[in-house]
Amino acid sequence: EADIYQTPRYLVIGTGKKITLECSQTMGHDKMYWYQQDPGMELHLIHYSYGVNSTEKGDLSSESTVSRIRTEHFPLTLESARPSHTSQYLCASSRRREGYQETQYFGPGTRLLVL
Amino acid sequence: ELKVEQNPLFLSMQEGKNYTIYCNYSTTSDRLYWYRQDPGKSLESLFVLLSNGAVKQEGRLMASLDTKARLSTLHITAAVHDLSATYFCAVINYGGSQGNLIFGKGTKLSVKP
Repeated sequence: EADIYQTPRYLVIGTGKKITLECSQTMGHDKMYWYQQDPGMELHLIHYSYGVNSTEKGDLSSESTVSRIRTEHFPLTLESARPSHTSQYLCASSRRREGYQETQYFGPGTRLLVL
Repeated sequence: ELKVEQNPLFLSMQEGKNYTIYCNYSTTSDRLYWYRQDPGKSLESLFVLLSNGAVKQEGRLMASLDTKARLSTLHITAAVHDLSATYFCAVINYGGSQGNLIFGKGTKLSVKP
């Protein structure tokens, strides 16, 4: 079973609030990811990181930002939440081995509702 | 640009029946993943297929990969209700996404008694 954690699991906030979604993994994985998934839809990569002090934007444009100060921690921040940010946010991590990334393990997700 | 297409997107089947979910991708890749997602839950890794002709089986699910045809299949044998979930295939993109995964839209499977 994967050791990757996300908090909060559910969040309801008002428009304009700043929020941070937490993601931690205890597997020592170097690469971490944030995906956005609307109910019943596909996953879209919004951010990823190769390791400490590395952050990259994914395939889907996002108004969120991320940081990677510690290997195990990859928080995602929305400076000013809007209703269009309502979605599920999934964090994942993987290990690099022999030139490729191994299987991604996913956290339980954060369901965000912005009113 | 790598695209991943799954079909069908919705599948309603009776217990005891067999069926196959298809995953096509548009550019060369040698690594394909299948994930399962239960409603309101996160993704669980099912299979990793690493080479042409790879076949993996777990219980009533069997996955295969044909890299020449750019096709993977997920075969369900004698379906049971517990298999009801959404199944995603994902392909490694060595191009613009730096080795990240590109996911299909998912196949929502409903197994009815």
